[in-house]
Amino acid sequence: GAVVSQHPSWVICKSGTSVKIECRSLDFQATTMFWYRQFPKQSLMLMATSNEGSKATYEQGVEKDKFLINHASLTLSTLTVTSAHPEDSSFYICSANSIWANVLTFGAGSRLTVL
Amino acid sequence: DQQVKQNSPSLSVQEGRISILNCDYTNSMFDYFLWYKKYPAEGPTFLISISSIKDKNEDGRFTVFLNKSAKHLSLHIVPSQPGDSAVYFCAASARAGGTSYGKLTFGQGTILTVHP
Repeated sequence: GAVVSQHPSWVICKSGTSVKIECRSLDFQATTMFWYRQFPKQSLMLMATSNEGSKATYEQGVEKDKFLINHASLTLSTLTVTSAHPEDSSFYICSANSIWANVLTFGAGSRLTVL
Repeated sequence: DQQVKQNSPSLSVQEGRISILNCDYTNSMFDYFLWYKKYPAEGPTFLISISSIKDKNEDGRFTVFLNKSAKHLSLHIVPSQPGDSAVYFCAASARAGGTSYGKLTFGQGTILTVHP
């Protein structure tokens, strides 16, 4: 079945630094990837939709300059949290779908802790 | 505005009995609904889905019921097993409007615990 790999699974960084999270579709080409964020005891919230070769579409309230998304190929999308602050600490999850897939496949998520 | 709500944060069930997880939505544009299961430190895993043209979909021990007039869906697990213990999320999307079905709106999740 479709597999989505997310890396790193957890990261701790200092306030003010930038962190990059990768999302790869391992055995299929992902025309679209989605980035979600989940704060403790809350639901997964869609941050942005990433289409290969074009600019990402951000949800209302998500700062595009802070959360940089790049979808350079059909198998890789990256999320860079720039100048991270403690309030950015969260669980970030990507998901991907293909032309042929009927449902989304989620990555395992990345736990970001900003000190 | 929480468009998808799971009002029960947790549910405890005895092994072998039925687990019923509920989900309500407010957006009448939603026409496709999914249930995901999530273990700690893992991403959500797809369980079962239902289109708004149906009112029931069954897959093994899992059955999803949709009541469009009430804007309510439920997931039934029969019989429940200890391995079913996880967080269950319902999600909804509006596919008919041309929006990518990947743009899901999730509920808050319900923690299911199945006791042996």
